[in-house]
Amino acid sequence: AQTVTQSQPEMSVQEAETVTLSCTYDTSENNYYLFWYKQPPSRQMILVIRQEAYKQQNATENRFSVNFQKAAKSFSLKISDSQLGDTAMYFCAFGVSGNDMRFGAGTRLTVKP
Amino acid sequence: DTAVSQTPKYLVTQMGNDKSIKCEQNLGHDTMYWYKQDSKKFLKIMFSYNNKELIINETVPNRFSPKSPDKAHLNLHINSLELGDSAVYFCASSHRQGGYTFGSGTRLTVV
Repeated sequence: AQTVTQSQPEMSVQEAETVTLSCTYDTSENNYYLFWYKQPPSRQMILVIRQEAYKQQNATENRFSVNFQKAAKSFSLKISDSQLGDTAMYFCAFGVSGNDMRFGAGTRLTVKP
Repeated sequence: DTAVSQTPKYLVTQMGNDKSIKCEQNLGHDTMYWYKQDSKKFLKIMFSYNNKELIINETVPNRFSPKSPDKAHLNLHINSLELGDSAVYFCASSHRQGGYTFGSGTRLTVV
C-alpha cells in the first residue's frame, strides 16, 4: 500500500521569503507520479506541480520547485518569493497511472505581510 | 470549458434522505474517481472507475454507490444520509499518463 506523509501540519512564512514543505512517501512501485496540490479557501484543488518518477530532473513551475529524492522517497516543495495569495492548504499526492491518488494530510501555509 | 464539472456545489439535506451528486468530464479521460474530504481536510478515495472496472474502497458504506451511464459521467448516489456524511466530495478524472483533474467539489451538509 502506498502512503504519503506530510509532517508539518502548519507553517508560516513572511511575504517575499522562501518556504519548503516536506513530503515523504512509501511505495514498491517503480513508475509513478508525485504532485503538489494547493487548496485555497475556495476549496478548489489546484495542481501546483507534478513530477514523473522516471525523471531525475526536478520539476519547476515559476516560483514553485521540488526536490525529488527517489531513493529517499522524499518530495519537498519550495515556494520562492512567497505571496499572500499562496496562503492555502498544500497537499502532497502520489499516483500510479490508471489508479487513484493517495494524499498526505496536508500542510496549512500562511503567508504573512 | 469546464474540464470536470460537479453539480450541485452545495447540498443541504435532512438525515434519512437519498441524494445524488453528478460529475461529468470532457477530457476524454479513462478513469474517474470520487474522493471525500472530511472536516480535518483529509482526502480519502471512495471509488475509482473506468469502463472496465469499479474499485470500491472497502471502508465506504454500501449506502454510497457510483453510477456511470457512460465514460464521461460518474454520479454518486447516497442513500439514508447520516450526519457523518457531511463533507466535501470531489470528483476527479485521470488519463494513463498520470494527469489528474479535479472538479470544484460539492459541500454536503446533513442536518
